[in-house]
This record gives sequence, C-alpha cells and structure tokens, in this order.
Amino acid sequence: DADVTQTPRNRITKTGKRIMLECSQTKGHDRMYWYRQDPGLGLRLIYYSFDVKDINKGEISDGYSVSRQAQAKFSLSLESAIPNQTALYFCATSGGQAGQPQHFGDGTRLSIL
Amino acid sequence: AQRVTQPEKLLSVFKGAPVELKCNYSYSGSPELFWYVQYSRQRLQLLLRHISRESIKGFTADLNKGETSFHLKKPFAQEEDSAMYYCALLSGTYKYIFGTGTRLKVLA
Repeated sequence: DADVTQTPRNRITKTGKRIMLECSQTKGHDRMYWYRQDPGLGLRLIYYSFDVKDINKGEISDGYSVSRQAQAKFSLSLESAIPNQTALYFCATSGGQAGQPQHFGDGTRLSIL
Repeated sequence: AQRVTQPEKLLSVFKGAPVELKCNYSYSGSPELFWYVQYSRQRLQLLLRHISRESIKGFTADLNKGETSFHLKKPFAQEEDSAMYYCALLSGTYKYIFGTGTRLKVLA
C-alpha cells in the first residue's frame, strides 16, 4: 500500500546541511502531518497542515520548517541539521471527517553526523 | 492535560499465552482511541479503533471510561504478533496524541 510515499527512505548527512524530506499522497486527504519517532519517546508532532493555506506548528517545531506545495505534497525541511535531529520521520494523512484514523508513510531514517 | 500512557516499554509472552497491552488516557471530552501496530521496519498501520468495536487479527480493545483505559487484548499470542504497539488519542478533530509504545515479543 503506497498511498503515502516518503522520500528518501534513508539519509545520512553532516551537521549544518540543509535537508528536505518529501511526502506525497494519493489518498485525497486534506490533512497531512509530520512526526518524528525516537526510542522511548513515541511519536511527536512536528507540523501539521489542513490544506495548502493552513500550516500549524506541532509540539517540537523548532529547527524545522514545512511547505505544502499542493494538496498531495507536504515537505519537511531541516534548515541547518544538528545531530539530535537524528530520528525516524513519518508523514501521515487523515481525512476530514471526525474520528478518522491516520495513514502513515514508510518513514525516513535520518542520521546527522 | 491530555495524555496517553503506555506503562510497559517491553512485554514478553510465550506463544499461546494471553496478551494485554495497557493504555491509559487523560482527556476531558469524549475520547476517540486507536491502536496502531508497527512491524519490524514497516510503517505504522491502524490495528483497531474503539468506535468500530471490531476484532482485528484476534485483538480487541474495550474503552473503559471509568478507568480511562483502552487496553489491547488477545487470548492466544502468535509469533507474528511481535511488533511495536502504539495507543493514540484523537484530541479534538485533528490532533493525535500517541503513547510511547510497547514492544511485544512473542517467544516460541
């Protein structure tokens, strides 16, 4: 099921580099989310978007920025990567109806040296 | 404060034994709760949601508002159930709050 596609799947880069993680979806959902997953901390929300004109910060947005290029595309950028941003990053979507579950991509494993 | 608590980081059981993964929540409104499963190196996928009251892969979960719990249960564990399990709460209409997850290991 490749309804939510993340690229790249893995990335190793150096401190200070700018990095963009991309997410595209074919589910037709308006809502898109970026999370990071760290061992013992679960999933934490970085940013979320309800449509191309509505972008909101999550609980850990510092050091990150996003762009909603279209309903189907939501990119996450690290302007100047630092080692503690090493994590597994997930994109997710959900429909607009109340009580809808989220649908996740395969994740991007990011390592910052 | 809105919160989801999964008290066990790791739960090991033998094949054929019953499984209960605990989830407690803190939420002032009427909660909508979900269980997600993440198999090794795979994406998170929805396992079940309380509103549908269904059984998926033999798992069930009952919402207990008095105890503010939504524990995940299966009467007989199978090796293929080994995975990471996350309990999640939908806060309002858009914000999903996840627990820290429980890793289930089913031993042969």
